[in-house]
Amino acid sequence: LAKTTQPISMDSYEGQEVNITCSHNNIATNDYITWYQQFPSQGPRFIIQGYKTKVTNEVASLFIPADRKSSTLSLPRVSLSDTAVYYCLVGDRGAAGNKLTFGGGTRVLVKP
Amino acid sequence: NAGVMQNPRHLVRRRGQEARLRCSPMKGHSHVYWYRQLPEEGLKFMVYLQKENIIDESGMPKERFSAEFPKEGPSILRIQQVVRGDSAAYFCASSPDTSLPVHEQYFGPGTRLTVT
Repeated sequence: LAKTTQPISMDSYEGQEVNITCSHNNIATNDYITWYQQFPSQGPRFIIQGYKTKVTNEVASLFIPADRKSSTLSLPRVSLSDTAVYYCLVGDRGAAGNKLTFGGGTRVLVKP
Repeated sequence: NAGVMQNPRHLVRRRGQEARLRCSPMKGHSHVYWYRQLPEEGLKFMVYLQKENIIDESGMPKERFSAEFPKEGPSILRIQQVVRGDSAAYFCASSPDTSLPVHEQYFGPGTRLTVT
């Protein structure tokens, strides 16, 4: 399983864009990049998943360069409720049964 | 469609007692995963089950821990003779049989186990 490295914490202010970069230098050909969000005292929640280039949904965008050795989660115009821990995961999406490997995550604190 | 349900949400046990954690997956999901999270750390995979079968228990401690997912009823994570080091949040997740382009797991709210 590819190891991931991401910043331990980030501070931001309401209305700003937050970009969290994750390094995964030994990502394998079959690996996908997935981001989860976890609020205090809750289980993680899927945000976005991608393989290459750019993926966008109603919550976030995911940018993946051509070499796929890193990825950036972009949260547009954050609000206080976006304060959470964000996890970058890399692994073979495959079929069901893909056990998720969580690193330490990035604690994002959004200030008023 | 109710999400993944776990109970109890909080469980206090004394050292040496047994802890039973229950997980009901989302309707239509036949794959269940258990994870453990220590304070200030990420989740660690424990076990993956399908109905009546343990598929992958590579993250499960060899002793005192067991899991099942019977044909009827919730999945159970059982910890015998608990010790203080078992204190953690235990999360259950489920996923469907999928050929969808995106694979994600749906997590429950967790059970916070405290061993005194």
